[in-house]
Amino acid sequence: GQNIDQPTEMTATEGAIVQINCTYQTSGFNGLFWYQQHAGEAPTFLSYNVLDGLEEKGRFSSFLSRSKGYSYLLLKELQMKDSASYLCAVRDTTSGTYKYIFGTGTRLKVLA
Amino acid sequence: DTAVSQTPKYLVTQMGNDKSIKCEQNLGHDTMYWYKQDSKKFLKIMFSYNNKELIINETVPNRFSPKSPDKAHLNLHINSLELGDSAVYFCASSRPQGAQAEAFFGQGTRLTVV
Repeated sequence: GQNIDQPTEMTATEGAIVQINCTYQTSGFNGLFWYQQHAGEAPTFLSYNVLDGLEEKGRFSSFLSRSKGYSYLLLKELQMKDSASYLCAVRDTTSGTYKYIFGTGTRLKVLA
Repeated sequence: DTAVSQTPKYLVTQMGNDKSIKCEQNLGHDTMYWYKQDSKKFLKIMFSYNNKELIINETVPNRFSPKSPDKAHLNLHINSLELGDSAVYFCASSRPQGAQAEAFFGQGTRLTVV
């Protein structure tokens, strides 16, 4: 089957660094995506990993270990506007075609 | 320019009614999706179309019928609406394969069944 786990909620302070973990199980792994979703808005793409290692994009970085079924999203120099839900998604090909399977999301609260 | 647009943004209707949500993308993508996001914010795939052809149907009740008149449009028709259908429905599109192929989402349709 397919399963994606991430913490439900996290709290951090403005200016700090926070790491949001995601573990997944799938037999048809074809990439891992992180999305940001503000309340009442659509998910927006943040990062993509398909090979092991770290991808850096400004204040955001994402890491992947395929052998461990593990990824994390690292947010540096937190700002109040980073308060949002962060969704881990796996692109899966088990069914013979591509589909994006989402975790339940991690709601991040950034405090002043 | 809006990449993925869906209408309406809000929909309030009574139980038993039939309603439709429309989605259009101008990204030239071949693959489109419908997702349902419930009150716990879990985003669950419902359908996927590739070049107007249904490729994924995630055991959604047959009251839900997607229709793709062309690869830029994917509409969702819902018959005999039930209270449990209340949710936010997101349309998305992506390239079918390739290095990135992240999914782009529409702004969502908040459906409330009363």
